[in-house]
Order: sequence, then structure tokens, then C-alpha cells
Amino acid sequence: AQTIHQWPVAEIKAVGSPLSLGCTIKGKSSPNLYWYWQATGGTLQQLFYSITVGQVESVVQLNLSASRPKDDQFILSTEKLLLSHSGFYLCAWSLDWEQFFGPGTRLTVL
Amino acid sequence: AQSVDQPDAHVTLSEGASLELRCSYSYSAAPYLFWYVQYPGQSLQFLLKYITGDTVVKGTKGFEAEFRKSNSSFNLKKSPAHWSDSAKYFCALGNTGYQNFYFGKGTSLTVIP
Repeated sequence: AQTIHQWPVAEIKAVGSPLSLGCTIKGKSSPNLYWYWQATGGTLQQLFYSITVGQVESVVQLNLSASRPKDDQFILSTEKLLLSHSGFYLCAWSLDWEQFFGPGTRLTVL
Repeated sequence: AQSVDQPDAHVTLSEGASLELRCSYSYSAAPYLFWYVQYPGQSLQFLLKYITGDTVVKGTKGFEAEFRKSNSSFNLKKSPAHWSDSAKYFCALGNTGYQNFYFGKGTSLTVIP
């Protein structure tokens, strides 16, 4: 069975500080991977997708970057956090058209 | 441009009633449509999808949805509703190639016991 793990569970960070969020998928070879951002009470905004190691496509510019250093790992990062980065970050992988979401990371920027 | 509209931000109904959550989309090609549910404080769970074929698709938790090309809709239905169905429901549209997904703003459903 496939599992998706995100870390950390929650973060409280200061404006201007760096950030790194991680996502690992086990039990699925070469999955399509996605990062989403959800403002509190809001909809999901797709940030990035990756179909293979080392290849990441940006969907929307939010002063964030993503990387896929391993087949089963997807990293979201920024060097300087903004207040607007607060929210819920979700990693997902897809099988055909079904997306399976991780438990998410709740980020609070102060 | 692709977009998804869920016109009802909130829906409240009594347990045992029939529920129907509305979703419309805008896409120039054949749409790939999905419904997800999000319980408070949790991530999203897949309910069902329409890719091609039968216009009525059945999913998990007793939900089904009907794809209507004529009015670009993909409404979610369940009868009867149960208090445990209370959650936020998102309709989503996927483009060809598994690359991009567009989510509606969601409908918060409250089912009163």
C-alpha cells in the first residue's frame, strides 16, 4: 500500500526566515507529485507539479520553489517567508487521475 | 481559461434529506472532474471522478455525481444525508496530461441530526 508522509506537521516561523517542507511517498514508483497551498478556510491552489526526478514545473509564483531530489521525495522551500505564506500546505501524488493527499503541514508566519 | 465554480459556500440540511452540491466548470477540452471531501483539520479525501463514459459516476461513502455537458456541471449527490457527511466539499477539474488541477472554492456542508 502507498503511504504519503509530510514533515513537519506544523511550523511557526518569522517573516524573512527560510522554510523547507518535505513530502515522501512510499510504495509507488515514479509518481506524479504536486504541491498545493490552502489559505485558512479557502480553496486549494496548485503550486508545483513533478513527473520525474529533477524536473519540477511551477504553476503559480508565490516566492516559493520546489525540488524533487529523489523519486519519492518532494521539497518545498523559500529563503524568505512572507506573511502571505501562512496556510496549509498539501503534497499529493496521483495514480491515473486520482490524487492522494498527504496529511499536510500547517504554516504560521508571524 | 480553466475554472471551477461552486456557487454555494454553505449548505445546511437535515439528516435524512437528499443533498446536492453544485459544481460548474469552464474548459475548452474534454473535462476530467473530481470531488474531494475535507473534514475539519484534515487533508483531502477522494470521493469520485468522471473521466469518460457513463455520466453518472459512483464513489465512496455513498456519493454519486452526474456529469452534464449541456450545462457544464458536475453535481454531487447523496440520499439520504447523514450527520457524518458534514464537511467541506471541493470540486476539481484536471487538464490533459495529469499536470494541472483547478479546485473550486468549496462548499461547507452541515447536516443537522
